[in-house]
Amino acid sequence: DQQVKQNSPSLSVQEGRISILNCDYTNSMFDYFLWYKKYPAEGPTFLISISSIKDKNEDGRFTVFLNKSAKHLSLHIVPSQPGDSAVYFCAAIDSGNTPLVFGKGTRLSVIA
Amino acid sequence: DTGVSQNPRHKITKRGQNVTFRCDPISEHNRLYWYRQTLGQGPEFLTYFQNEAQLEKSRLLSDRFSAERPKGSFSTLEIQRTEQGDSAMYLCASSFRSGAETQYFGPGTRLLVL
Repeated sequence: DQQVKQNSPSLSVQEGRISILNCDYTNSMFDYFLWYKKYPAEGPTFLISISSIKDKNEDGRFTVFLNKSAKHLSLHIVPSQPGDSAVYFCAAIDSGNTPLVFGKGTRLSVIA
Repeated sequence: DTGVSQNPRHKITKRGQNVTFRCDPISEHNRLYWYRQTLGQGPEFLTYFQNEAQLEKSRLLSDRFSAERPKGSFSTLEIQRTEQGDSAMYLCASSFRSGAETQYFGPGTRLLVL
């Protein structure tokens, strides 16, 4: 049973436009959520996180929104740049149980 | 560079051989994690340490897998009698326990078992 789901395997967006990546989770004990970006043959790079006590966190071009009632979070990238092309992983953690639980990732392609 | 480092970056081995991977965490981090990632999947948790204590190892994939962190600094992950199904990217991450903790990943070791 997958506790973190990223239902879109891929997404293409034009440069300068908004990219929206979605993530759903099933475990109501998750209280901290993270987004990682991964280039081929490299480890995941931390992008942004959000605690379950918040509904929005912003860092430059990246904003994460959390809707706890819907068990849904999204990552917005504005404006999208070609260098943003990568696989984005959503991850969640129940702080009483340490391991991160990852989704399968969404491959973002930003087209110039 | 003060990030998480892993060695080797790539390893090709023959089935049945033993392999060992090393991870050096960010120096002030007391937690160290091992994950495995296969094609089309997100990273899958294997085990973790707080300082030198291995606090969770039930998710190690079989008894052929073992990990150590003898002095609470670097860690090693060993796979004995490798099988073709062990081919994957092995990722190490570290964090500083402070409630909501962000884990920072190394570049990974890509293992190919022939």
